[in-house]
Amino acid sequence: SQTIHQWPATLVQPVGSPLSLECTVEGTSNPNLYWYRQAAGRGLQLLFYSVGIGQISSEVPQNLSASRPQDRQFILSSKKLLLSDSGFYLCAWVSNYGYTFGSGTRLTVV
Amino acid sequence: DQQVKQNSPSLSVQEGRISILNCDYTNSMFDYFLWYKKYPAEGPTFLISISSIKDKNEDGRFTVFLNKSAKHLSLHIVPSQPGDSAVYFCAASAVTDSSYKLIFGSGTRLLVRP
Repeated sequence: SQTIHQWPATLVQPVGSPLSLECTVEGTSNPNLYWYRQAAGRGLQLLFYSVGIGQISSEVPQNLSASRPQDRQFILSSKKLLLSDSGFYLCAWVSNYGYTFGSGTRLTVV
Repeated sequence: DQQVKQNSPSLSVQEGRISILNCDYTNSMFDYFLWYKKYPAEGPTFLISISSIKDKNEDGRFTVFLNKSAKHLSLHIVPSQPGDSAVYFCAASAVTDSSYKLIFGSGTRLLVRP
């Protein structure tokens, strides 16, 4: 079966600390993968997407970066977190059945 | 520049009545539209979609209407139930875009009162 795993579920990090959020998918190969963020009171904003290993497209300029070291692994990173990086981060992939979202990571930068 | 807009941040309706959630888009290349439902601290779940070749799609209590000339779509929920209370996101994509990325609106929080 096709599943998507995202962790951790919640994270509290101090300003200036690094970040690494991981997303993996199972049951598919060469999926398109996406990172979205929902800031407080805001909609879902597309941050990055990847159509293959090592291929990253950034949708908005920001303090974050993404990498795809393996076919089914998508990582969201930051070298130094800002308060404005707080939000709910969602990984997603698309198949013939449509978009599937992970369960999300609630990031609070303090 | 918001390509997909949901101008009503919240909506409150009585149980049993109709809920109408609206969405506008600006990019004429969009040809596939979706509605998602989201609870706090969870990923969105797919509700219903519509292709630009149609103007209506129905699935049980949920109906999506598309007005291409007005670049407007709406989601009708009838009858509304308390369990429908959630945030609803409208999303759009362009089939010609090989990335298949979805552009979301800002969401509408629906509250169905018992």
